[in-house]
Amino acid sequence: NAGVTQTPKFRVLKTGQSMTLLCAQDMNHEYMYWYRQDPGMGLRLIHYSVGEGTTAKGEVPDGYNVSRLKKQNFLLGLESAAPSQTSVYFCASSRQTYEQYFGPGTRLTVT
Amino acid sequence: AQTVTQSQPEMSVQEAETVTLSCTYDTSESNYYLFWYKQPPSRQMILVIRQEAYKQQNATENRFSVNFQKAAKSFSLKISDSQLGDTAMYFCAFMKHGSDAGNMLTFGGGTRLMVKP
Repeated sequence: NAGVTQTPKFRVLKTGQSMTLLCAQDMNHEYMYWYRQDPGMGLRLIHYSVGEGTTAKGEVPDGYNVSRLKKQNFLLGLESAAPSQTSVYFCASSRQTYEQYFGPGTRLTVT
Repeated sequence: AQTVTQSQPEMSVQEAETVTLSCTYDTSESNYYLFWYKQPPSRQMILVIRQEAYKQQNATENRFSVNFQKAAKSFSLKISDSQLGDTAMYFCAFMKHGSDAGNMLTFGGGTRLMVKP
Protein backbone atom coordinates (compact mmCIF):
# COMPACT_ATOMS: atom_id res chain seq x y z
CA ASN A 1 0.00 0.00 0.00
CA ALA A 2 1.47 3.33 -1.07
CA GLY A 3 -1.26 5.22 0.82
CA VAL A 4 -1.60 8.78 -0.44
CA THR A 5 0.93 9.99 -3.00
CA GLN A 6 1.39 13.44 -4.50
CA THR A 7 3.03 14.51 -7.75
CA PRO A 8 5.23 16.54 -8.03
CA LYS A 9 7.09 17.02 -4.74
CA PHE A 10 8.48 20.43 -5.69
CA ARG A 11 7.63 22.97 -8.36
CA VAL A 12 8.60 26.52 -9.24
CA LEU A 13 6.22 28.55 -11.40
CA LYS A 14 6.29 32.04 -12.83
CA THR A 15 3.35 34.34 -12.24
CA GLY A 16 0.59 33.58 -14.72
CA GLN A 17 1.64 30.02 -15.47
CA SER A 18 -0.68 27.10 -14.92
CA MET A 19 -0.14 23.70 -13.40
CA THR A 20 -1.92 20.65 -12.02
CA LEU A 21 -1.09 18.78 -8.84
CA LEU A 22 -2.00 15.12 -8.78
CA CYS A 23 -3.10 13.20 -5.71
CA ALA A 24 -3.58 9.45 -5.78
CA GLN A 25 -4.76 7.04 -3.08
CA ASP A 26 -4.92 3.26 -3.14
CA MET A 27 -7.10 2.77 -0.05
CA ASN A 28 -10.45 2.94 -1.87
CA HIS A 29 -11.41 6.02 0.14
CA GLU A 30 -14.56 7.93 -0.76
CA TYR A 31 -13.44 11.34 0.51
CA MET A 32 -10.46 13.35 -0.70
CA TYR A 33 -9.18 16.80 0.24
CA TRP A 34 -6.72 19.48 -0.78
CA TYR A 35 -5.17 21.72 1.88
CA ARG A 36 -2.56 24.44 1.79
CA GLN A 37 -0.10 25.23 4.57
CA ASP A 38 1.56 28.63 4.76
CA PRO A 39 4.63 29.27 6.92
CA GLY A 40 3.87 29.12 10.65
CA MET A 41 0.23 28.24 10.08
CA GLY A 42 -2.03 25.25 10.19
CA LEU A 43 -3.56 23.64 7.13
CA ARG A 44 -6.50 25.30 5.42
CA LEU A 45 -8.97 23.42 3.25
CA ILE A 46 -9.08 24.46 -0.42
CA HIS A 47 -11.52 21.97 -1.97
CA TYR A 48 -12.80 18.53 -1.15
CA SER A 49 -14.69 15.65 -2.74
CA VAL A 50 -17.11 13.19 -1.17
CA GLY A 51 -17.12 10.87 -4.16
CA GLU A 52 -16.20 10.35 -7.79
CA GLY A 53 -17.51 13.18 -9.93
CA THR A 54 -18.33 15.48 -7.00
CA THR A 55 -16.36 18.42 -5.60
CA ALA A 56 -17.05 21.21 -3.14
CA LYS A 57 -15.39 24.41 -1.94
CA GLY A 58 -13.50 24.62 1.30
CA GLU A 59 -12.24 27.59 3.26
CA VAL A 60 -9.87 29.10 0.64
CA PRO A 61 -11.03 28.01 -2.85
CA ASP A 62 -10.30 31.15 -4.89
CA GLY A 63 -7.75 30.69 -7.65
CA TYR A 64 -8.00 26.90 -7.64
CA ASN A 65 -10.05 24.30 -9.46
CA VAL A 66 -10.35 20.58 -8.82
CA SER A 67 -11.57 17.45 -10.52
CA ARG A 68 -12.35 13.91 -9.34
CA LEU A 69 -12.87 11.90 -12.50
CA LYS A 70 -11.65 8.68 -10.89
CA LYS A 71 -12.22 7.59 -7.32
CA GLN A 72 -8.52 7.17 -6.64
CA ASN A 73 -7.39 10.53 -8.06
CA PHE A 74 -8.00 14.12 -7.04
CA LEU A 75 -6.47 16.88 -9.15
CA LEU A 76 -5.80 20.45 -8.04
CA GLY A 77 -5.33 23.04 -10.77
CA LEU A 78 -3.95 26.56 -10.76
CA GLU A 79 -5.01 28.33 -13.96
CA SER A 80 -2.97 31.51 -13.47
CA ALA A 81 -0.50 31.20 -10.61
CA ALA A 82 0.08 34.15 -8.27
CA PRO A 83 2.83 34.70 -5.67
CA SER A 84 0.15 34.44 -2.96
CA GLN A 85 -0.24 30.78 -3.94
CA THR A 86 3.30 29.99 -2.82
CA SER A 87 2.67 27.32 -0.20
CA VAL A 88 2.94 23.67 0.68
CA TYR A 89 -0.02 21.69 -0.62
CA PHE A 90 -1.29 18.56 1.10
CA CYS A 91 -3.71 16.01 -0.17
CA ALA A 92 -5.64 13.72 2.17
CA SER A 93 -8.20 10.96 1.91
CA SER A 94 -10.63 9.22 4.25
CA ARG A 95 -13.47 6.76 4.41
CA GLN A 96 -16.88 7.95 5.60
CA THR A 97 -15.45 7.98 9.08
CA TYR A 98 -13.25 10.60 10.50
CA GLU A 99 -9.57 9.66 10.12
CA GLN A 100 -7.79 11.45 7.28
CA TYR A 101 -4.58 10.10 5.78
CA PHE A 102 -2.21 12.69 4.39
CA GLY A 103 0.21 12.70 1.49
CA PRO A 104 3.81 13.96 1.82
CA GLY A 105 3.05 17.43 0.45
CA THR A 106 4.06 19.48 -2.59
CA ARG A 107 6.14 22.62 -2.13
CA LEU A 108 5.10 25.22 -4.71
CA THR A 109 6.91 28.50 -5.25
CA VAL A 110 5.46 31.17 -7.53
CA THR A 111 7.91 33.91 -8.55
CA ALA B 1 -17.88 28.42 11.45
CA GLN B 2 -15.46 26.76 13.79
CA THR B 3 -12.21 28.22 15.07
CA VAL B 4 -9.30 26.47 16.74
CA THR B 5 -6.73 28.35 18.79
CA GLN B 6 -3.33 27.18 20.01
CA SER B 7 -1.95 29.87 22.27
CA GLN B 8 1.59 28.49 22.61
CA PRO B 9 3.62 29.07 19.41
CA GLU B 10 6.69 27.32 20.84
CA MET B 11 7.47 25.06 23.77
CA SER B 12 10.43 23.07 24.96
CA VAL B 13 10.81 20.15 27.35
CA GLN B 14 13.65 18.06 28.66
CA GLU B 15 13.86 14.49 27.50
CA ALA B 16 11.88 12.10 29.75
CA GLU B 17 9.79 14.91 31.23
CA THR B 18 6.11 15.68 30.68
CA VAL B 19 4.71 18.55 28.62
CA THR B 20 1.17 19.78 27.97
CA LEU B 21 0.09 21.57 24.80
CA SER B 22 -3.04 23.72 24.93
CA CYS B 23 -5.90 24.00 22.47
CA THR B 24 -9.23 25.78 22.66
CA TYR B 25 -11.98 25.80 20.07
CA ASP B 26 -15.21 27.58 19.37
CA THR B 27 -18.23 25.88 17.88
CA SER B 28 -22.00 25.75 18.16
CA GLU B 29 -22.02 22.07 17.22
CA SER B 30 -22.74 19.41 19.83
CA ASN B 31 -21.43 16.41 17.89
CA TYR B 32 -17.84 16.59 16.68
CA TYR B 33 -14.35 15.12 16.82
CA LEU B 34 -11.08 16.60 17.98
CA PHE B 35 -7.61 15.57 16.88
CA TRP B 36 -3.96 16.17 17.53
CA TYR B 37 -1.64 15.84 14.54
CA LYS B 38 2.14 15.78 14.61
CA GLN B 39 4.23 17.24 11.78
CA PRO B 40 7.95 16.42 12.06
CA PRO B 41 10.56 18.12 9.85
CA SER B 42 9.72 15.60 7.11
CA ARG B 43 6.38 17.50 6.75
CA GLN B 44 4.33 14.30 6.96
CA MET B 45 1.10 14.82 8.91
CA ILE B 46 0.71 12.04 11.49
CA LEU B 47 -2.40 11.47 13.57
CA VAL B 48 -1.45 11.32 17.24
CA ILE B 49 -4.78 10.98 19.00
CA ARG B 50 -8.50 11.60 18.51
CA GLN B 51 -11.43 12.30 20.79
CA GLU B 52 -15.14 11.96 20.12
CA ALA B 53 -17.09 14.77 21.75
CA TYR B 54 -19.82 12.45 23.00
CA LYS B 55 -17.30 10.44 25.01
CA GLN B 56 -16.58 11.73 28.49
CA GLN B 57 -13.53 9.53 28.90
CA ASN B 58 -10.28 11.14 27.82
CA ALA B 59 -8.47 9.39 24.97
CA THR B 60 -5.06 7.82 25.56
CA GLU B 61 -2.49 6.45 23.12
CA ASN B 62 0.62 5.13 24.85
CA ARG B 63 2.55 8.21 26.07
CA PHE B 64 -0.04 10.62 24.66
CA SER B 65 -3.23 11.57 26.45
CA VAL B 66 -5.74 14.38 26.26
CA ASN B 67 -7.68 16.46 28.75
CA PHE B 68 -11.02 17.13 27.08
CA GLN B 69 -13.19 19.72 28.79
CA LYS B 70 -16.30 20.04 26.62
CA ALA B 71 -17.98 22.82 28.57
CA ALA B 72 -14.82 24.89 28.52
CA LYS B 73 -14.14 23.93 24.86
CA SER B 74 -10.63 22.93 25.77
CA PHE B 75 -8.59 20.02 24.40
CA SER B 76 -5.02 19.77 25.69
CA LEU B 77 -2.41 17.16 24.80
CA LYS B 78 -0.11 15.68 27.41
CA ILE B 79 3.07 13.96 26.31
CA SER B 80 4.67 11.83 29.01
CA ASP B 81 8.27 10.61 29.05
CA SER B 82 9.15 12.95 26.18
CA GLN B 83 11.50 11.57 23.55
CA LEU B 84 13.76 13.31 21.05
CA GLY B 85 11.54 11.95 18.27
CA ASP B 86 8.62 13.94 19.66
CA THR B 87 10.25 17.13 18.35
CA ALA B 88 7.75 18.46 15.80
CA MET B 89 4.94 20.88 15.11
CA TYR B 90 1.71 19.82 16.78
CA PHE B 91 -1.66 20.82 15.39
CA CYS B 92 -5.01 20.64 17.09
CA ALA B 93 -7.92 20.09 14.70
CA PHE B 94 -11.73 20.07 14.79
CA MET B 95 -14.14 18.06 12.68
CA LYS B 96 -17.91 18.46 12.65
CA HIS B 97 -19.78 15.18 12.65
CA GLY B 98 -22.59 14.57 10.20
CA SER B 99 -23.35 13.21 6.74
CA ASP B 100 -23.31 16.66 5.18
CA ALA B 101 -20.11 17.73 6.90
CA GLY B 102 -17.68 16.22 4.39
CA ASN B 103 -15.35 15.36 7.26
CA MET B 104 -13.60 18.70 6.90
CA LEU B 105 -10.84 19.52 9.36
CA THR B 106 -10.27 22.96 10.85
CA PHE B 107 -6.73 23.35 12.15
CA GLY B 108 -5.17 25.55 14.80
CA GLY B 109 -2.01 27.51 14.11
CA GLY B 110 0.28 24.91 15.66
CA THR B 111 2.75 24.62 18.53
CA ARG B 112 6.40 23.94 17.82
CA LEU B 113 7.73 21.50 20.41
CA MET B 114 11.42 21.00 20.98
CA VAL B 115 12.57 18.08 23.12
CA LYS B 116 16.02 18.75 24.57
CA PRO B 117 18.49 16.02 25.49
